[in-house]
Amino acid sequence: EAGVVQSPRYKIIEKKQPVAFWCNPISGHNTLYWYRQNLGQGPELLIRYENEEAVDDSQLPKDRFSAERLKGVDSTLKIQPAELGDSAVYLCASSTLAGGMETQYFGPGTRLLVL
Amino acid sequence: AQSVTQPDIHITVSEGASLELRCNYSYGATPYLFWYVQSPGQGLQLLLKYFSGDTLVQGIKGFEAEFKRSQSSFNLRKPSVHWSDAAEYFCAVGTSGGYQKVTFGIGTKLQVIP
Repeated sequence: EAGVVQSPRYKIIEKKQPVAFWCNPISGHNTLYWYRQNLGQGPELLIRYENEEAVDDSQLPKDRFSAERLKGVDSTLKIQPAELGDSAVYLCASSTLAGGMETQYFGPGTRLLVL
Repeated sequence: AQSVTQPDIHITVSEGASLELRCNYSYGATPYLFWYVQSPGQGLQLLLKYFSGDTLVQGIKGFEAEFKRSQSSFNLRKPSVHWSDAAEYFCAVGTSGGYQKVTFGIGTKLQVIP
């Protein structure tokens, strides 16, 4: 079974430029997460989708970040414009409920460097 | 709100030695607890999880963890460390039931020396 796929793996941009990350979850997983992992920290939730609906975006900086999950499968996370402080690894995870319990499976992440 | 403390940012052990990584959590109800491992440039891989039942949980790669409610701890152990275990380890706590709001610790970086 294929895991969570993310692209690109690495991205270097100048500040004020836009950037987008793509995620393809595990087949059949209805729930999708975007996390940001700063250097030396654990992942922090940005947004959670159930199918195509964003059910928790309370920690998404909505002035510059946006996300979409059209058709409830693939998802895109966008930053416009990027700032120096956005340099981080952006992780996508997907999950499904089995027996009332959930486990999240993570992709390899996109490492963003803003110059 | 829940929180996780991993008091050791960096640990060095010799290959073949035993390992224990500490994790303390704060959560008002029965927690869901996880340990993930992250190798350089990779995403997080689930090692093991605790939801209920036996407090000693077996995971992949020879790891185990013990849930101790009285100490609010979920320490990760391995009896004999291999060089390939060098990575960063994250403890996480989730809210009970159904889909979760998972909070991660800051991680413990494990170095294995020959």
